Amino acid sequence: GENVEQHPSTLSVQEGDSAVIKCTYSDSASNYFPWYKQELGKRPQLIIDIRSNVGEKKDQRIAVTLNKTAKHFSLHITETQPEDSAVYFCAASYNNDMRFGAGTRLTVKP
Amino acid sequence: DAGVIQSPRHEVTEMGQEVTLRCKPISGHNSLFWYRQTMMRGLELLIYFNNNVPIDDSGMPEDRFSAKMPNASFSTLKIQPSEPRDSAVYFCASTTSVVGAEQFFGPGTRLTVL
Repeated sequence: GENVEQHPSTLSVQEGDSAVIKCTYSDSASNYFPWYKQELGKRPQLIIDIRSNVGEKKDQRIAVTLNKTAKHFSLHITETQPEDSAVYFCAASYNNDMRFGAGTRLTVKP
Repeated sequence: DAGVIQSPRHEVTEMGQEVTLRCKPISGHNSLFWYRQTMMRGLELLIYFNNNVPIDDSGMPEDRFSAKMPNASFSTLKIQPSEPRDSAVYFCASTTSVVGAEQFFGPGTRLTVL
């Protein structure tokens, strides 16, 4: 089955700096790669996703890149703000069978 | 739409007791997922259904866990008998059957087994 690895497990940045989270996956059949943000005590919520026929996608301060050959994808947050502090999960999915990475706890220091 | 609804939101029980968690997916969604979240193991997929049919239950930890989806608007996850190591937050999520559709998570049930 699919195995998703996520790094780093914790990340601390200064407000205004960029944050990068990286994930690798094992199943070359995976074709959908969402990123979820989970605030303390809340449910995971989708922030951005990318499909296998696209190499990069951007939405304001958030961007995701996908390298299908190397089977890795990354989340980039620019101009970080304190409200970006949360746990971020990457996931890889094929036919709705979705497997999550272990999560990255991002702290943005004001 | 009210989103995915889960009940109860919190459950505290004693070891050996039966626990039943409930989920109502978003209307029109025909795929439903049960996840378990712990600090040690992260977010684990337990089982998912397409059109009320279980597709993959390989994530169910052991025979003490069972899940049903008797109709398109209701699913249960049952643990019998419960053990302290089952303590976790259990999330239900739903989506359409379109490949690559967003999964919408419910608020979760925080289970504590004493």
